[in-house]
This record gives sequence, structure tokens and C-alpha cells, in this order.
Amino acid sequence: EPEVTQTPSHQVTQMGQEVILRCVPISNHLYFYWYRQILGQKVEFLVSFYNNEISEKSEIFDDQFSVERPDGSNFTLKIRSTKLEDSAMYFCASTLTPSQETQYFGPGTRLLVL
Amino acid sequence: AQTVTQSQPEMSVQEAETVTLSCTYDTSENNYYLFWYKQPPSRQMILVIRQEAYKQQNATENRFSVNFQKAAKSFSLKISDSQLGDTAMYFCAFMGHSGAGSYQLTFGKGTKLSVIP
Repeated sequence: EPEVTQTPSHQVTQMGQEVILRCVPISNHLYFYWYRQILGQKVEFLVSFYNNEISEKSEIFDDQFSVERPDGSNFTLKIRSTKLEDSAMYFCASTLTPSQETQYFGPGTRLLVL
Repeated sequence: AQTVTQSQPEMSVQEAETVTLSCTYDTSENNYYLFWYKQPPSRQMILVIRQEAYKQQNATENRFSVNFQKAAKSFSLKISDSQLGDTAMYFCAFMGHSGAGSYQLTFGKGTKLSVIP
């Protein structure tokens, strides 16, 4: 069964460093998402992406964040200068059509900023 | 803006018994989708069940079923014959049209379910 994959599973970084989180969505899916879950809290929407551009972003998704689909398979989330409060689980999700299909989640990347 | 409320932070159930997790939501939309996701200790998000708002029939998936009350904006999850592997955090989620052609999931705060042997 096709699945969304994410790398790395864990990332530890120093405050102020740049990190890139990688996702490989399900191959025929067209819409991609990033969500964030701070430990002990609910999952929050960050950004949606379609046709090589951002469809929508939340207020969390400030100028420190960017997304990119550098090739036909990868979908990345970059945090330019990490802050302590960026420590969280980051989930990638994908769907074929956003209005009718379930969003399938990857296993997540656990980011720890020291 | 949509909101999703899960009023039970924690619940427990004896193995083989039935448990119901509550979820209410607020929206002005008429067409939307509702989901229950399971998050075991590994923290992966796993889809349990989904419901289309235009369908009156409650969704069922093996031991999992929902009670969808559209007028009351209520969407509870019933787990029958609970198993130890059902121990997890359960998130209720709403998906509607958020404008700009985008659909995003809005999650509740979750209910931590423990199945006791």
C-alpha cells in the first residue's frame, strides 16, 4: 500500500541553524501539506501546496518557513533560523484531490531545537 | 473559523468493552468531512474513520463506528471490543473549505485512551 514517507525521523539542531525536513508524498497525489504538533498539544496546520505554489498558510508559517518541491517526488519544509519553540513533531500529508480525499500522513519528523 | 472540541482529555476502558469518545465542532459550512485519527506512542497519525457531512448514514469500519449528528454538530467515535492495541491518543478532525481553494484539517486537542487488560 502506498504511503507517505518522511526523513529524518529525528533531528536535533542548535538554535539559529537551518533545517530541512523532507517528505515523499504518495506518488499520484497532487496536494501536499505540513502540520506541526508541539509535544502534548494538538496538531496544527502550517501550509498547503499545489501546482508548485503555496495554496494557503497559517499564521504560524512566517518568513522563517518555506516549502519547495525540488523534483517530482520530494516535498520539503525549510526552517531558516530555528528557535526553541520550533521543537515539535512535523507531519507531512498528501491527498489526490483536496475536497474529497482523505489526507494521508507520514510518520513525522521529531525536531528538537537546543 | 472552524473549531473542534474534545471534552474528554483522558479515558480508560476494559479490554473487550465498548467506549465512546466525544467530539463537537463548530462551522457555518454545509459540506465538510470529519475524521478520527489515532496516534499511538510512535506518534504516527493513522486514519481510523471518516464521515462525509452529506451522508446521513453513520460510517463504520470494523470495530469502529461513529454517531454523526449534523444538527447538533456532534461526531462521536465508538470502539467496540476494545483491544490493547487501541491504546492511543485519538484526534477528531474537521475538513472544510478554508478559502483560496484550500482544504485544511482542524484538529481537536485529543483524547488519550487507555485499554486496561
